[in-house]
Amino acid sequence: DAKTTQPTSMDCAEGRAANLPCNHSTISGNEYVYWYRQIHSQGPQYIIHGLKNNETNEMASLIITEDRKSSTLILPHATLRDTAVYYCIVALSSGYALNFGKGTSLLVTP
Amino acid sequence: DAGVIQSPRHEVTEMGQEVTLRCKPISGHNSLFWYRQTMMRGLELLIYFNNNVPIDDSGMPEDRFSAKMPNASFSTLKIQPSEPRDSAVYFCASSSLAVLGAGEQYFGPGTRLTVT
Repeated sequence: DAKTTQPTSMDCAEGRAANLPCNHSTISGNEYVYWYRQIHSQGPQYIIHGLKNNETNEMASLIITEDRKSSTLILPHATLRDTAVYYCIVALSSGYALNFGKGTSLLVTP
Repeated sequence: DAGVIQSPRHEVTEMGQEVTLRCKPISGHNSLFWYRQTMMRGLELLIYFNNNVPIDDSGMPEDRFSAKMPNASFSTLKIQPSEPRDSAVYFCASSSLAVLGAGEQYFGPGTRLTVT
């Protein structure tokens, strides 16, 4: 699976959009980009995934660049409950192994 | 749906004792995963079952670890004998390959294991 690079930590003011970047320059054509988050003392939570097109669900939006070498997870109106570690993962949909890496620790402040 | 259920939530045991962790996947999911999380190593996949059959157990640390899935609604992870270095949070996750793809996994709350 392709390797991903994420900033170690980020801050965001409550109510503002949180934009979490991820680089995956070695992604292959059939690999998807998955985003998970882990709130303290809880299990990881699936957020969203995409292949080429931008995706949106009730939790977040995923923007993937045209060359697919990077992506951005957008939490449109961050709340304190969005404070968590966010993991960007590249994997085959038909595969099963998810390499969580170290993720980005997002702190949402009042 | 109740989500993935794990028990116990916390387990404290002495070195050398047998530990059994339990997992009930989401109904209808045919893939089940056991992960271990520590500060040093992060989240690691231990074993993956598909349709109750172990597919990949290459992440199981050593012979002291074993996992079973006797039916579609139950799995166990056993450590015998336990050692202090096994202290970690153990997560079970499930997915539906046919519908979701294995990358969309749903995690339980985890079992925090402390071996003294």
